[in-house]
Amino acid sequence: GENVEQHPSTLSVQEGDSAVIKCTYSDSASNYFPWYKQELGKRPQLIIDIRSNVGEKKDQRIAVTLNKTAKHFSLHITETQPEDSAVYFCAASILRHFGNEKLTFGTGTRLTIIP
Amino acid sequence: KAGVTQTPRYLIKTRGQQVTLSCSPISGHRSVSWYQQTPGQGLQFLFEYFSETQRNKGNFPGRFSGRQFSNSRSEMNVSTLELGDSALYLCASSWTGAAGEAFFGQGTRLTVV
Repeated sequence: GENVEQHPSTLSVQEGDSAVIKCTYSDSASNYFPWYKQELGKRPQLIIDIRSNVGEKKDQRIAVTLNKTAKHFSLHITETQPEDSAVYFCAASILRHFGNEKLTFGTGTRLTIIP
Repeated sequence: KAGVTQTPRYLIKTRGQQVTLSCSPISGHRSVSWYQQTPGQGLQFLFEYFSETQRNKGNFPGRFSGRQFSNSRSEMNVSTLELGDSALYLCASSWTGAAGEAFFGQGTRLTVV
């Protein structure tokens, strides 16, 4: 089955700096890679996702890059703000129309933005 | 549009008891998946239901079971509770399946004493 590794487990950056979180996956058939943000006591929320036919996707201060050959993908947050402090999870799965593949999550990165 | 709703939000149970958790998906979503979240193990997949059928199952013992009703609402049951079952149980709904754009509920915090 799929295995997703995520690094680092904790990350502290100064407000305004950039943060990068990296994930690797094992199943070359995986084609859907979402990122979730979970604030303390709250539900995981999808912040950005990427499909395997795309190498990079941006949404304002957040971007995700995917290297299918190396089987790794990364989350980039620029101009970090205190509200970016949270736990971030990457995940991988096979996206099929009416498919039944599960999301396999990384172990999470606790991001702390230092004011 | 209402989000995914889980009830109850908090539960305290005694070892050996059983518990039932409920999840109401986003209107129109046909897939409901369940995850266990613990500090040590992260987010672990339990099972996924689509149109009342279990399509995918994670590596959990048979004490963990679920079902889905015709209105797509889902329940998860844990029998003979163990201390190690204490966790946040999250359900997620999506239109097509567990792999696509899953939206999570707030979770049910289960504490087994």
